Amino acid sequence: SVLTQPPSVSAAPGQKVTISCSGSSSNIGNNYVSWYQQLPGTAPKLLIFENHKRPSGIPDRFSGSRSGTSATLGITGLQTGDEADYYCGTWDGSLSAGVFGTGTTVTV
Amino acid sequence: QVQLHQWGAGLLKPSETLSLTCAVYGGSFTGYYWSWIRQPPGKGLEWIGEINHSGSTNSNPSLKSRVTTSVDTSKSQFSLRLTSLTAADTAIYFCARGRGGGEWWDYWGRGTLVTVSS
Repeated sequence: SVLTQPPSVSAAPGQKVTISCSGSSSNIGNNYVSWYQQLPGTAPKLLIFENHKRPSGIPDRFSGSRSGTSATLGITGLQTGDEADYYCGTWDGSLSAGVFGTGTTVTV
Repeated sequence: QVQLHQWGAGLLKPSETLSLTCAVYGGSFTGYYWSWIRQPPGKGLEWIGEINHSGSTNSNPSLKSRVTTSVDTSKSQFSLRLTSLTAADTAIYFCARGRGGGEWWDYWGRGTLVTVSS
């Protein structure tokens, strides 16, 4: 994948984690970033779109930001139900393709 | 509420062709790009391609020569064909609604496990 994420992050219940997504000027640097949560055995769920916006129903414990060629997902007030894989996604203009990050497993 | 219901053969042999269809219930079929995304067992997500209601398509260059996407607006359905299958194509295939240009995918099908094995 052209987008790099840490393989795993962990924290205690109630704490905060951040997940980074590193790319380049052909993808994150010039396109919107979205974030997805994938619980075991289910389809991904949209958490963040257009870098920092939350769809209806997504709690404000989830936040997103973009700076240069990197993006970050933050999760505060961690709950056991947040244990999942998280992926960033965007468009890569050089590849003319949608691209996803390598994925990060969050352990609470 | 938007729902995506997908179906297709789950066990195929090498060199065969994968064929999946996704039906959209609720919401508008126009104004969006309808995508296919796959996930090999235990691995990450890979974007395959997208199509809009008028048939405009984009495909992953790594798969482009083997991918065909089509749309039937009268049924609010879209389909994927992937030819010349190998074991490397074994994956869960998801259909999803998107903004186009990889901006976001907000509604997803449940996924279809496609296994390629002789």
